[in-house]
Amino acid sequence: EPEVTQTPSHQVTQMGQEVILRCVPISNHLYFYWYRQILGQKVEFLVSFYNNEISEKSEIFDDQFSVERPDGSNFTLKIRSTKLEDSAMYFCASIRLASNTEAFFGQGTRLTVV
Amino acid sequence: GIQVEQSPPDLILQEGANSTLRCNFSDSVNNLQWFHQNPWGQLINLFYIPSGTKQNGRLSATTVATERYSLLYISSSQTTDSGVYFCAVANNNNDMRFGAGTRLTVKP
Repeated sequence: EPEVTQTPSHQVTQMGQEVILRCVPISNHLYFYWYRQILGQKVEFLVSFYNNEISEKSEIFDDQFSVERPDGSNFTLKIRSTKLEDSAMYFCASIRLASNTEAFFGQGTRLTVV
Repeated sequence: GIQVEQSPPDLILQEGANSTLRCNFSDSVNNLQWFHQNPWGQLINLFYIPSGTKQNGRLSATTVATERYSLLYISSSQTTDSGVYFCAVANNNNDMRFGAGTRLTVKP
């Protein structure tokens, strides 16, 4: 079965450092998402991406965050200057659109900012 | 964005009991999914169910899109069913949001 893959599975970074979280969506999918989940809390929407541009973003997705689909396969989330409160699980998801709107989620990247 | 509410927030059951989890949403939907979050934090897809009824073993789900709710049924619960269950809903603009989850504890 096709799957969304995320790397790394776990990343530890120093406060103030830049991190890039990587996602490889399913190959024929067209619409992409990033979510985050602070430990023990709900899954929060960050951003959606379609046709090489941001479709929607939440108030969490401030200037410290950016997304990119650099090569037609990877979908990345960059945090420019990490804060302690960025520590969370980050999930990528993709959907095909058209007749199939089922979202496929990656296994997540656990980011720990120290 | 679409509003998603799950109830109850917490549920404690004895092994073997049945349970019903509810997901209410505020808009017309083109996607609704139920997930179980495993101990490693991964979101395990249980059902893709924008409408109708599906069953998979001891689990089943029903979505009544016209009344804007979905139900997840767990029958003969086992301790391994414990964890957090999330409902995720997308409207016709593909804006997908999660409910706050139901934390299920099944006691032996």
